[in-house]
Amino acid sequence: LAKTTQPISMDSYEGQEVNITCSHNNIATNDYITWYQQFPSQGPRFIIQGYKTKVTNEVASLFIPADRKSSTLSLPRVSLSDTAVYYCLVGELTGGGNKLTFGTGTQLKVEL
Amino acid sequence: KAGVTQTPRYLIKTRGQQVTLSCSPISGHRSVSWYQQTPGQGLQFLFEYFSETQRNKGNFPGRFSGRQFSNSRSEMNVSTLELGDSALYLCASSLKQGGGEAFFGQGTRLTVV
Repeated sequence: LAKTTQPISMDSYEGQEVNITCSHNNIATNDYITWYQQFPSQGPRFIIQGYKTKVTNEVASLFIPADRKSSTLSLPRVSLSDTAVYYCLVGELTGGGNKLTFGTGTQLKVEL
Repeated sequence: KAGVTQTPRYLIKTRGQQVTLSCSPISGHRSVSWYQQTPGQGLQFLFEYFSETQRNKGNFPGRFSGRQFSNSRSEMNVSTLELGDSALYLCASSLKQGGGEAFFGQGTRLTVV
């Protein structure tokens, strides 16, 4: 699976937009990009998934450039409850099973 | 719709003992994966079961084993416990193999003393 690189930590304030970028230079043709959120002592929670261009759901947007060597998770108007660790994963779209490889993640801290 | 249920939530065991953890996936989900999370190593994949067959395995010693039943419920067993096995063990279920969208349980916090 492609290795991912994310910032270790980020700080923000309530109401701001937060963009977390993930690098995955060796992403393969069959790989998709998925982001998870994890609060302390809880299991990770699926946020969003994409393959190329832009994907948006009710909580976030995912921007993927044409070369797919990076991706950016965008969280609009964050609140204190968005303080968590965010993981970027890349993995096969089909047939690869659900062997998810988590990196170190990005610790997002949101303050008043 | 009920989420992924893991039991027990907390467990304290002594070195050398064995332990069995249980995971009930979301109804209809056939893929169950297990993960170990520690402060030092982060989230690491243990194994995945799909339709009662182990489909993927992570890099853990043979003391870690698992199985899946016909109703998709899964158990994970760790024998001859070591202090380093203290961790949060997470189970995730998915509707299908592949796809990357998994639903995690709250985990079982295992402490080995």
